[in-house]
Amino acid sequence: NAGVTQTPKFQVLKTGQSMTLQCAQDMNHNSMYWYRQDPGMGLRLIYYSASEGTTDKGEVPNGYNVSRLNKREFSLRLESAAPSQTSVYFCASSEFSVWDYGNTIYFGEGSWLTVV
Amino acid sequence: QKEVEQNSGPLSVPEGAIASLNCTYSDRGSQSFFWYRQYSGKSPELIMFIYSNGDKEDGRFTAQLNKASQYVSLLIRDSQPSDSATYLCAVSVNYGGSQGNLIFGKGTKLSVKP
Repeated sequence: NAGVTQTPKFQVLKTGQSMTLQCAQDMNHNSMYWYRQDPGMGLRLIYYSASEGTTDKGEVPNGYNVSRLNKREFSLRLESAAPSQTSVYFCASSEFSVWDYGNTIYFGEGSWLTVV
Repeated sequence: QKEVEQNSGPLSVPEGAIASLNCTYSDRGSQSFFWYRQYSGKSPELIMFIYSNGDKEDGRFTAQLNKASQYVSLLIRDSQPSDSATYLCAVSVNYGGSQGNLIFGKGTKLSVKP
């Protein structure tokens, strides 16, 4: 059982380049999330998808787009990368909303992105 | 601005001692509270969650919640060097979208000395 799988694990981009981070979960979870983690800033929510076909902005959505391709997959796209987007990106999933008792978020292994 | 505050540490305790980690949150509407552990270079992993005021115990870990004071804590008994990690407090909030989400504190770095 792989859980939440992210690709690529490491990537170096030049300013202005575009790229897509891929995420897939095999737990049949309804909700999926993208977070970024920066030193001294903690984990911050970029976008989330409560269910297949829906996406919503989180705390720091500017500069990113997302696609919920199907129930398993949720991708994050950087259209024109900037050095400020250098970060560790975590995809995560939960069976239902965290408002529902008994549900929590499980994380993938992370993607280290450097924009030069 | 919805916030979760944690002391960044490092918190250093000797092996076998009790480690006490604290967290405060700003959103009175928060319903669910979580503690994650994150080793350096790894992803966060869930330790415990708590929803009701009071204590919840799981092995060496005890989570404590006081909604009136907007305070959550994690106690680690009989601390081991393998407990050395950053501990993240997470709280459910609603950004106004279709469902609630978690916001995270910046984490407290714990070091357990042999």
